[in-house]
Amino acid sequence: GAVVSQHPSRVICKSGTSVKIECRSLDFQATTMFWYRQFPKQSLMLMATSNEGSKATYEQGVEKDKFLINHASLTLSTLTVTSAHPEDSSFYICSAREQNTDTQYFGPGTRLTVL
Amino acid sequence: GEDVEQSLFLSVREGDSSVINCTYTDSSSTYLYWYKQEPGAGLQLLTYIFSNMDMKQDQRLTVLLNKKDKHLSLRIADTQTGDSAIYFCAGAGANAGKSTFGDGTTLTVKP
Repeated sequence: GAVVSQHPSRVICKSGTSVKIECRSLDFQATTMFWYRQFPKQSLMLMATSNEGSKATYEQGVEKDKFLINHASLTLSTLTVTSAHPEDSSFYICSAREQNTDTQYFGPGTRLTVL
Repeated sequence: GEDVEQSLFLSVREGDSSVINCTYTDSSSTYLYWYKQEPGAGLQLLTYIFSNMDMKQDQRLTVLLNKKDKHLSLRIADTQTGDSAIYFCAGAGANAGKSTFGDGTTLTVKP
């Protein structure tokens, strides 16, 4: 089946630094990728929709200047958490939408801890 | 927008069948998904069903869709301890692509 990878799987950073998370579709092309955030014991919250070659569409309440999304190719989208603060600590999950079936395949997630 | 609801907890004994239920509000949902999330891990797509289907079976998994009532269920036959996880249902429209998730049902399988 289709595979989506995320890197890194875990990251610990100091408050005020920026962290970049990569999401890659390994064996299919994805014109659309999605970034989710999951708080402990809660469901996924969609943060933004990332479209290859164009600006990301952010959900209401998500700061686009804080969560920078770049979708430079059909297989790679990146999420940069700028000037991270402890409240940004969370599990970030990406998904990639396979063009033909419209099915979303999820990455394994990235655990971000901001000290 | 779409609203998806699930019961939060389900506990069954090993070997029994598990049925996880989900209701959704958007009748235009084209794809309905079931995902499994084990502790500390990302989501794993278990199965999905198109809105023009009533049932889909895949080994121990059976998905039933009642479009009239906007009700989706996932049945796991012969539930094993390895099935303990959080199960999310999600719906997506054909054009939007993005999925709306329920809050997840925590399945606990007791030996």
